Amino acid sequence: DIVLTQSPAILSLSPGERATLSCRASQSIKLSSLAWYQQRPGQAPGLLIYEASIRATDTPARFSGSGSETDFTLTISSLEPEDFAVYYCQQYGTSPLTFGGGTKVDFK
Amino acid sequence: QMHLVQSGAEMTKPGASVTVSCKASRFTFNSFHIHWLRQAPGEGLEWLGWINYKYGDTNYGQKFQDRVTMTRDTTIATAFMELNTLKSDDTAMYYCATEGRHCSGAGCPLDYWGQGALVTVSS
Repeated sequence: DIVLTQSPAILSLSPGERATLSCRASQSIKLSSLAWYQQRPGQAPGLLIYEASIRATDTPARFSGSGSETDFTLTISSLEPEDFAVYYCQQYGTSPLTFGGGTKVDFK
Repeated sequence: QMHLVQSGAEMTKPGASVTVSCKASRFTFNSFHIHWLRQAPGEGLEWLGWINYKYGDTNYGQKFQDRVTMTRDTTIATAFMELNTLKSDDTAMYYCATEGRHCSGAGCPLDYWGQGALVTVSS
């Protein structure tokens, strides 16, 4: 199975700051089949980014994804209050689908 | 835009089985996969497997191979996930999710999610 390791586990920031989240894979992810999801408390996850760098429909432009093979990054250029949430990376190119452990972005 | 509505919370005992349903509204599932995932309290996401809505074939995660059964009823646009021989650590929010909006040669991320069904296993 492909193991995804996210860091940091918790990122304490203020609104307006830049957030940089990391996701590292135990083996190369084919065709950059990596997605990022946002989960707010009490809600199901929602797709933000797919194929490592493509914003999903309705994802604001302040969210960007980058990376390839084993190292991927989600960047939020300027945090809005609604962005304080948990973020998960997921690979969907190889069965079983696997998720990282999540990064919680919370208020400093 | 597809809307997935899951069945309600369940409370059950160790050793029992539970079935969670997932109904598509506005659109049907078409030929895509319906995935089942779970999230234990305060924990991350775990994939249980998928069922192909059109053909009915399944792909289960190895951890759940012996205990999970995924089915669907195309006449009512509903998918089902049964988990048996429940243990206390099966207590979790169970989600269905499906694809279709952003598929490419790289595969399909999970576009649409149900609201979740809380399954509590306790004696």
